[in-house]
Amino acid sequence: QSALTQPASVSGSPGQSITISCTGTSSDVGGSNYVSWYQQHPGKAPKLVIYEVKNRPSGVSNHFSGSKSGNTASLTISGLQAEDEADYYCSSYTSNSTIVFGTGTKVSGL
Amino acid sequence: QVQLQQSGPGLVKSSQTLSLTCTVSGGSISTGGYYWSWIRQHPEKGLEWIGHIFYSESTYYNPSLKSRVIISVDTSKNQFFLKLNSVTAADTAVYYCAKDAGYGDYGDAFDIWGQGTMVTVSS
Repeated sequence: QSALTQPASVSGSPGQSITISCTGTSSDVGGSNYVSWYQQHPGKAPKLVIYEVKNRPSGVSNHFSGSKSGNTASLTISGLQAEDEADYYCSSYTSNSTIVFGTGTKVSGL
Repeated sequence: QVQLQQSGPGLVKSSQTLSLTCTVSGGSISTGGYYWSWIRQHPEKGLEWIGHIFYSESTYYNPSLKSRVIISVDTSKNQFFLKLNSVTAADTAVYYCAKDAGYGDYGDAFDIWGQGTMVTVSS
């Protein structure tokens, strides 16, 4: 299975909104409502920030939001803060009953 | 609150078997209907799902690793395991165990992670 495609990096000014895309196929993102997003700081384990395309786990800031259109899912961070600077990964359940991750996006401040 | 503690060697010789253990505390591995997963991350690279086990019986694996991987559970010890055989340098990575959040039916969202184990395959 091929990794989902994400931009290598996205940057933004503090307070700005940024969006990270995650492109797959009809066998994963396009055909699944089970798309998740993770935040990973250096040397740490990933943290779940979005599940089932647009839902936030308890305790996750509401400045994270998710959406999907066709074969592309998106994570939007509204009001970028210094602590949001991290790597972000999407994942999707697939038609083969497996899970595939995205290539990862490094978010940095300007 | 469930916690996952990983253990196992950080160095494995090429062609041998990588074996890792994940010990679950704060909850029972045999109740709740959760998927128990292994995920790895090559140095400076992205995440790769290895596979998961459900109810101690049903296993699902990444097709690219399926021929070399076994994930199993010991409910009496509240542990689950990863075995990856015939390792090469390409298997050098940080390995994580993880628990699915239980939101849906497919074990697709991981809310609890182990601390990670850096495994180096040496020749």
